[in-house]
Amino acid sequence: GQNIDQPTEMTATEGAIVQINCTYQTSGFNGLFWYQQHAGEAPTFLSYNVLDGLEEKGRFSSFLSRSKGYSYLLLKELQMKDSASYLCAVRDSNYQLIWGAGTKLIIKP
Amino acid sequence: GAVVSQHPSRVICKSGTSVKIECRSLDFQATTMFWYRQFPKKSLMLMATSNEGSKATYEQGVEKDKFLINHASLTLSTLTVTSAHPEDSSFYICSASKGTSGSDEQFFGPGTRLTVL
Repeated sequence: GQNIDQPTEMTATEGAIVQINCTYQTSGFNGLFWYQQHAGEAPTFLSYNVLDGLEEKGRFSSFLSRSKGYSYLLLKELQMKDSASYLCAVRDSNYQLIWGAGTKLIIKP
Repeated sequence: GAVVSQHPSRVICKSGTSVKIECRSLDFQATTMFWYRQFPKKSLMLMATSNEGSKATYEQGVEKDKFLINHASLTLSTLTVTSAHPEDSSFYICSASKGTSGSDEQFFGPGTRLTVL
């Protein structure tokens, strides 16, 4: 079966750095997405990785290792507005998006 | 940009009634639209994929007669929850893709919260 694993919940302090991990086992791989979702709202796109390595976009970076079936989302200089759920999704060989359950990130002052 | 709207954003209805949710791509033509359902603290669950002008492809376990999907044009798809019951209460989200078979990035609508009394 296909599976995406992420921690259920993480807590971090305002101004700090947090890393959210995602491991996957899917039938084929055609890219990995990270989305941010605030409570009661639809997901918004954060990043896309299809090749190994680090993609940096402002305070957010995303890393991918296809051989390990592993990705992480790195958030720097955390702000209170970063409190949200972060969803990892993998596109399989049929170009279907397989979604993780999301990681709820709680930012404390 | 690639903006997707949904209407209504919230709806409360009585058990047994039908509810229609609209999903529109405002500034691009959406060859493919997706309908998701999300329960509290759970991940997105794909319900169906629809391509303009053809019948929707439903995921296993999703009742096609209960969740009617119409993709009448390249900018509009509708989801009708027929004879809604309290267990249908959920957050419904649509997304749209410019390509076919979801090969391109999906752009999400703001979601519709359905509460069935």
